[in-house]
Amino acid sequence: KNEVEQSPQNLTAQEGEFITINCSYSVGISALHWLQQHPGGGIVSLFMLSSGKKKHGRLIATINIQEKHSSLHITASHPRDSAVYICAVASWGGGATNKLIFGTGTLLAVQP
Amino acid sequence: NAGVTQTPKFRILKIGQSMTLQCTQDMNHNYMYWYRQDPGMGLKLIYYSVGAGITDKGEVPNGYNVSRSTTEDFPLRLELAAPSQTSVYFCASSYQGNTEAFFGQGTRLTVV
Repeated sequence: KNEVEQSPQNLTAQEGEFITINCSYSVGISALHWLQQHPGGGIVSLFMLSSGKKKHGRLIATINIQEKHSSLHITASHPRDSAVYICAVASWGGGATNKLIFGTGTLLAVQP
Repeated sequence: NAGVTQTPKFRILKIGQSMTLQCTQDMNHNYMYWYRQDPGMGLKLIYYSVGAGITDKGEVPNGYNVSRSTTEDFPLRLELAAPSQTSVYFCASSYQGNTEAFFGQGTRLTVV
């Protein structure tokens, strides 16, 4: 079983829909990252959080440390949101590095 | 604002050839990482460095070598390339182990 699990693996939505992507993890963490990867493109950090909730524009990320679960929400989705969304956790217990463990990503396609 | 710069973006190698993937960051980050991304898999850590002169193995170090002679540069060396090393490689950096990570644009490597 992977230490970081994302669901769903694939998601198709209509423009304007509210989208939720989930991430569950099984290790102790110091932080959780949400990343975005466009096709053929690089990886961009969206959020890093260790508790509560963060909001940036139409994106909202929440984390529940007790339940070892995080969600990424996209409000009023748009075709330009189409990308792979990756959850990664910085696990402690790996020395000073807090190495990142990655989920396999959620491929989101938003149709006009 | 260059951030993390990787070169080259694409490369085709023949089996047994060697090459170096270059990575440079201009943010004075202590931590630098090399990951590989295979289809359907999460990013896997190859090597990382917590500062100039210090490197350590990640999850999948076999067939690779790194050096960190300066804070800015963290090249990844492939010796005797094998088809199993066909992948997309990402370099990343962060100020500390549990702070936001910045990624390069990736290098798509094919070994034939």
